[in-house]
Amino acid sequence: GAVVSQHPSWVICKSGTSVKIECRSLDFQATTMFWYRQFPKQSLMLMATSNEGSKATYEQGVEKDKFLINHASLTLSTLTVTSAHPEDSSFYICSAREPPGLADINEQFFGPGTRLTVL
Amino acid sequence: GEDVEQSLFLSVREGDSSVINCTYTDSSSTYLYWYKQEPGAGLQLLTYIFSNMDMKQDQRLTVLLNKKDKHLSLRIADTQTGDSAIYFCAEGGATNKLIFGTGTLLAVQP
Repeated sequence: GAVVSQHPSWVICKSGTSVKIECRSLDFQATTMFWYRQFPKQSLMLMATSNEGSKATYEQGVEKDKFLINHASLTLSTLTVTSAHPEDSSFYICSAREPPGLADINEQFFGPGTRLTVL
Repeated sequence: GEDVEQSLFLSVREGDSSVINCTYTDSSSTYLYWYKQEPGAGLQLLTYIFSNMDMKQDQRLTVLLNKKDKHLSLRIADTQTGDSAIYFCAEGGATNKLIFGTGTLLAVQP
């Protein structure tokens, strides 16, 4: 099956610093990637949808300048949390979608997640 | 709005069947999915059902869809300790976005 990796798997940073998280599709080209945030014991909340070569589409309430998304190639999307604060501490998960095909079930392949802790 | 609700917790004994329920509100959903999340990990697609189907069986998994009531269920037969995880239902439509349920923690007692 399709594999999506994330790096780093966990990161601890000081308040005010910026953190970059990478999401890679390892064995397929991902025209669309998604970034989610998950709080403890809660569901996944979609933050933004990223299409290769174009600007990301952010969900309502998600600050574009706070969470910078770059999808520069068909296999890599990055999420940068700028000027991180303790309330940004969370589990960030990306997913990737292949180009639509005849038997498309709109499946997203998920990365293993990145645990961000801001001190 | 798009709200997908699940019960928070389910405890079963090993070998029993588990039934996880989900209710959704978006009647335009094309596919409905069940994902499994193990501790500290991403999500794994278990199964899915097309919105014009009532039932789908895949080995130990049975998905039932009641479109009239917007109710989806996942039955796991012969539940094993390795099935312990959080299970999310999700709905998807033409927008490519997935809307996830609140998640159900399944605890399997040996």
